[in-house]
Amino acid sequence: QLQLQESGPGLVKASETLSLTCTVSGGSISSKSYFWGWIRQSPGKGLDWIASIDYTGSTYYNPSLKSRVTISFDTSKSQFSLKVNSVTAADTAVYYCAREPAYIWGNSRYPSHMGVWGKGTTVAVSS
Amino acid sequence: DIQMTQSPSTLSASVGDRVTITCRASQSISGWLAWYQQKSGKAPKLLIYEASSLESGVPSRFSGSGSGTEFTLTISSLQPDDFATYYCQQYNGYFRTFGQGTKVEVK
Repeated sequence: QLQLQESGPGLVKASETLSLTCTVSGGSISSKSYFWGWIRQSPGKGLDWIASIDYTGSTYYNPSLKSRVTISFDTSKSQFSLKVNSVTAADTAVYYCAREPAYIWGNSRYPSHMGVWGKGTTVAVSS
Repeated sequence: DIQMTQSPSTLSASVGDRVTITCRASQSISGWLAWYQQKSGKAPKLLIYEASSLESGVPSRFSGSGSGTEFTLTISSLQPDDFATYYCQQYNGYFRTFGQGTKVEVK
C-alpha cells in the first residue's frame, strides 16, 4: 500500500529557505505512470498546487511561485523535496505531498488529479 | 490560469438528503476534473476523477457528471460521515487549480 510522509522544520524565520521532504513507501518513485507533487493549504483557506516532478526529472511550477520554489527527487532514498526561498508569513500553511497519475493528451504527458496524499506537515513562518 | 468556482460555499443538509455541488470552470476543461472530500485536520481524499469516474473504495452514493465548463458532484443520500468540505480541481494542462470549497454542514 503506497504511503507518503512529509517532513519539515515546523517553524522557519521570514526571509529564510523552507525545505520539505516527502518519503514514499510501498511503491516506486521512478514509475513512468506518475508525477509527484506538492500542494499547500493556508490557515482556513483552500488548496493551492505548488509544483510537480516526473520520472525524468522534468519539473512544473505554479507561475505565482515559480521564482521562489524548487522541486527535486532522490530516487535512491525514494524521496522528493521542495525548497521555498525567501519565505514570508504568506507561506504559513499545511504542506502536502501527493502522487499524481499521468495522462496522455496529444503527444504530451500531463499530471492529473492527486490520488494519494501524505498527512501533511504544518509550517509556520515567524518574523 | 483557469479559475474554478464552486457553489454554494456552504450547504446545510440532513442525513438522507440528496446533495448537489456545482463547479464551473472559466474555460473548457473537457472532462479533466476531480472531486475531493476534506475533513478538519486531515488531508483531502480523492472521490471522483475524469469528471465521473469513482475512485476505488469510495461509496457509490457519490457521483460526478459534466464536461466543458460545468460539473456537479452529487451525494445521493447524505450519511453522517459525509459532513465535510468538498473541492473540485481541474487538470487541463500542467497548471492545476482548485475551487474554493463547499462546506456541507448539519442543518
